[in-house]
Formats: sequence, C-alpha cells, structure tokens
Amino acid sequence: NAGVMQNPRHLVRRRGQEARLRCSPMKGHSHVYWYRQLPEEGLKFMVYLQKENIIDESGMPKERFSAEFPKEGPSILRIQQVVRGDSAAYFCASSPTRGSEAFFGQGTRLTVV
Amino acid sequence: GENVEQHPSTLSVQEGDSAVIKCTYSDSASNYFPWYKQELGKGPQLIIDIRSNVGEKKDQRIAVTLNKTAKHFSLHITETQPEDSAVYFCAATSGGGADGLTFGKGTHLIIQP
Repeated sequence: NAGVMQNPRHLVRRRGQEARLRCSPMKGHSHVYWYRQLPEEGLKFMVYLQKENIIDESGMPKERFSAEFPKEGPSILRIQQVVRGDSAAYFCASSPTRGSEAFFGQGTRLTVV
Repeated sequence: GENVEQHPSTLSVQEGDSAVIKCTYSDSASNYFPWYKQELGKGPQLIIDIRSNVGEKKDQRIAVTLNKTAKHFSLHITETQPEDSAVYFCAATSGGGADGLTFGKGTHLIIQP
C-alpha cells in the first residue's frame, strides 16, 4: 500500500508563473489536507477537501490560491502568479475518514525565483 | 483560533537518556493531539497521538501525557537512540483528526553519542 504521493518533489517557478502541486492520497483515503511549511517553522493548515468538495479552506489565502480534489485523479493545489513569499514546502496528508489519523506525503518544495 | 506553544526549540541529550518535549494549547475545545517526527527533507511522520478522553498513552519507548486542566501535553522518549535525532512537532485540533491542525514550531532533538 503506497503512501501519500506528492509530485513534483521540487518545483522552481519564476515570479508571475503558475505552480501546480499534485497529491495522490493513500488507497482508500477520501480526505485530503494541504499544509504549508516555511523554513524553521511548523506546518500551517491551508485547506481540507473531500472528494469533489472543499470542507474547510480557512487557512488558504483568499487570492491566487485554489485547491481541488476531483472525483477521479489527484488533489491539486494551484498557485497563480507566484511571488517569492510563496517559496515553501507544501505537504499533503490523507485519512480514510474525518477524525482519524492522517499520513503525510514527502512534500513539494516550491522555489520562486 | 488555536495557539500551540512548544518548548524547547532545541534539545540535546546523551544517547540512552530520556528526552521530554512540552506543548501548551489555548483552545479548550481541542480534543486531538498528535506528535510528528520530521527528518531532513522528508514529510512529518505520525509517531503517537492522544485524544482528550485519556491522560496518557504509551508505545514502546514513546509516551505522551495530557493535562486538560492546564492545557498542556508532553512527549517523553526514553532510552534515546541516534535515530531519534530529528525535528519533533506537536499539534492540536478540535476537529478530531488532521483537519485544521495547529502545529507548534518544532523541537530539534539531537542525540549525542
């Protein structure tokens, strides 16, 4: 049973470009969570999705950021018109049900140049 | 919202000794408290968790205690080994799972041989 798969592992984007981060949850998991980690900081919650639904996006910046978890395929975190401050590690976690323990992926390290 | 404070930021112990990391939280509605271990370049790995209906939980060399009245919880690692060296994060949520986890800033645990 493969773990949570994130790709790419490393992503470099120029200011103003778009970044698309992908997350495939563990088999049987329908709940996905996205977190952002700045250097030397803890993780900050961004968004919680269930298949085709956004459950809680209270941690997501109002502009330029969006997330989806379609019926088929991975969850996508999309950052439009990236700025240097978006440089961080983005982690995805999944769980089989709400309220159960979650497992994190290896993360995508986004660098904006 | 929830605020989680974690201490110390760095902890150095001799191999074989015990390590204790402490966290406090602010939201009395929080009911789930996981601990994660993060190695360099990897995603957080859940090592132990505790829910608000118990005061202590143990798994081999790792134990977690929870004091709901004082709103603090602690991670105890006994008989430390070199492979325990990593950054440890505490977290709290009222969601019961991984949605809306608020993380501490992390403790860098160094095991001295």
